[in-house]
Amino acid sequence: DAMVIQNPRYQVTQFGKPVTLSCSQTLNHNVMYWYQQKSSQAPKLLFHYYDKDFNNEADTPDNFQSRRPNTSFCFLDIRSPGLGDAAMYLCATNQGGRHNEQFFGPGTRLTVL
Amino acid sequence: KQEVTQIPAALSVPEGENLVLNCSFTDSAIYNLQWFRQDPGKGLTSLLLIQSSQREQTSGRLNASLDKSSGRSTLYIAASQPGDSATYLCAQHRTSGTYKYIFGTGTRLKVLA
Repeated sequence: DAMVIQNPRYQVTQFGKPVTLSCSQTLNHNVMYWYQQKSSQAPKLLFHYYDKDFNNEADTPDNFQSRRPNTSFCFLDIRSPGLGDAAMYLCATNQGGRHNEQFFGPGTRLTVL
Repeated sequence: KQEVTQIPAALSVPEGENLVLNCSFTDSAIYNLQWFRQDPGKGLTSLLLIQSSQREQTSGRLNASLDKSSGRSTLYIAASQPGDSATYLCAQHRTSGTYKYIFGTGTRLKVLA
């Protein structure tokens, strides 16, 4: 049973063309995260939500935006993708307590042409 | 700056060997430490979560330990198999009042048949 679902699994976009990545969860977790991961690198946190409380990382470019319309869904919007934004984008959830696990989705591989 | 380091970056072993992967963190304030497995092009799969009050956790052939005083965690894999080949990542959940995790860069493991 899928718990954290990401769509699409593969996304190809053109330089400068806006793109939206989707994440949904069936765990009813309070916290949702978006990470960017480039080849052979650690996942880099872009932002996270605790419920509707949005937390942006200081070094996340303004080109990246996020929306969380309800508990189950979270979206990553890339307003003007550049070649350097090609990466795996990972969504994760956490119940929100001190000792809880993070659960990850399968990721969306973004290619920018 | 808090950092999480994993050594070695890559490891190649013959099937059947017992092996240890290392994770070091500079910030001793910790809620928990989580170990993940990542297969090429895929998301992260949670393996073990160690709470700050625990010393170790076990799941099948995997055993993870945590030593807060020295800022270290180890993942022990017994009787390694080719199917264990993957990248292993550790992530520290800090006590700073956030829900953020700091990831290590991972150890890329190859188990040879």
